Amino acid sequence: DGGITQSPKYLFRKEGQNVTLSCEQNLNHDAMYWYRQDPGQGLRLIYYSQIVNDFQKGDIAEGYSVSREKKESFPLTVTSAQKNPTAFYLCASTNRDRRSEAFFGQGTRLTVV
Amino acid sequence: KQEVTQIPAALSVPEGENLVLNCSFTDSAIYNLQWFRQDPGKGLTSLLLIQSSQREQTSGRLNASLDKSSGRSTLYIAASQPGDSATYLCAVLQGGSEKLVFGKGTKLTVNP
Repeated sequence: DGGITQSPKYLFRKEGQNVTLSCEQNLNHDAMYWYRQDPGQGLRLIYYSQIVNDFQKGDIAEGYSVSREKKESFPLTVTSAQKNPTAFYLCASTNRDRRSEAFFGQGTRLTVV
Repeated sequence: KQEVTQIPAALSVPEGENLVLNCSFTDSAIYNLQWFRQDPGKGLTSLLLIQSSQREQTSGRLNASLDKSSGRSTLYIAASQPGDSATYLCAVLQGGSEKLVFGKGTKLTVNP
């Protein structure tokens, strides 16, 4: 079955650590997105990528980094520079034809301990 | 900068009622608008996608309309059921930047 897989489902980070969240899709989609969701804030865009080896900052990119070395994969690293990383992180993908639905993974809940 | 607003933020209705959720956006230069459903602690599930050239889309008890010139969309849910309880989000695919921009959602509770 085609879809988007995010892992892990739950992640705990100590202060000062970098952690990487995985997002893999087998939908052959060109575009991929990372969002952060906090209670009452809705979904805020962190980074997005339209093609391999290219990505753009979203509205809250500070403290995060991404790579897009393969079409199927768009990992997100939460660095120690992100002061308040505890949140629910969601990955999405869609085709670049601008006529297709966006599909989401099941999310990763990151907690700083 | 595109801003998407959803009203109301929360809605509670008795089972069987027809209801309307609203979504507005400030920049009409969009490629499409999509409605999603989110259950607590889960990812988003796509409900309906409306292209910028379309006026409405239907799927079962759901009907979404789009008035691009006025920057508005509505999601109509007919004969609501307790299983419809969830948060409903709308998102626009922004022209030019191709950002997918979300509203904050409407939390719907359908009471048996």
